[in-house]
Amino acid sequence: DAKTTQPTSMDCAEGRAANLPCNHSTISGNEYVYWYRQIHSQGPQYIIHGLKNNETNEMASLIITEDRKSSTLILPHATLRDTAVYYCIVLYNQGGKLIFGQGTELSVKP
Amino acid sequence: ETGVTQTPRHLVMGMTNKKSLKCEQHLGHNAMYWYKQSAKKPLELMFVYNFKEQTENNSVPSRFSPECPNSSHLFLHLHTLQPEDSALYLCASSQSHPTGGTGYTFGSGTRLTVV
Repeated sequence: DAKTTQPTSMDCAEGRAANLPCNHSTISGNEYVYWYRQIHSQGPQYIIHGLKNNETNEMASLIITEDRKSSTLILPHATLRDTAVYYCIVLYNQGGKLIFGQGTELSVKP
Repeated sequence: ETGVTQTPRHLVMGMTNKKSLKCEQHLGHNAMYWYKQSAKKPLELMFVYNFKEQTENNSVPSRFSPECPNSSHLFLHLHTLQPEDSALYLCASSQSHPTGGTGYTFGSGTRLTVV
C-alpha cells in the first residue's frame, strides 16, 4: 500500500473551514484514498473516501488532485467536537489492509 | 454504536492472569481485525481473519492468541502479559475487499492495563 505524508498537527478556529492535506505521490491506479479520524481513546471513525473524483458527504469534502498524488480533506465548519487525529490512508482495492500512520492532530479552538 | 461491540471496555490484569477480549459485529462483514494502539503511537495491525480463517499475524507474541469461531465474533485471549502490553486494543470488521463502501468499521476498544 502506498505511503502517505501528513502534517503532524494543525490548528483551526471554530466555525472556520479546516483543510487537512495529504501527500500520496506513489499511489497506484487502483488504490483509493480513505480518511478516518480518531477522537481521543475511541475507535477510528470513517469520514470519506475517493478514487479520482472529488467527493462530498455530510461530514466532509475530499479533493483529489488530477494526478492523484495528493488530496485535501475539508471540514467546512469546524466545531470543537472535530478535535481529533485525522488519518489519510491509501487502500488497495483487492483485499488491502488499513495501515495507519501518525496522522494529523487537529485542534479546533474557540 | 458503530455496529462493532467490544467487551470489556476496561480491563486490569496481573501478569500471571488469563483473560479474553471479545468483539462482535452484526454488519454482515466477513473479515475481522485486531489492532493495538500504545500511548502516542499509531495503530498497529495484529491479526487479520477472512471468513474465519487467520490470514495474517504481524509477528505478534504468542501470549496473544486470537480466535474467530464465526464471521461475527472475534476473541483475543491473553496470558502472561507484560506491562508494555498495556494499550488500547481495537477490533474492526469489513468486507474482504473493503472498497466502494466505508472500509473498516471499528469498535470502541478495550483499554488494557497490565500490572
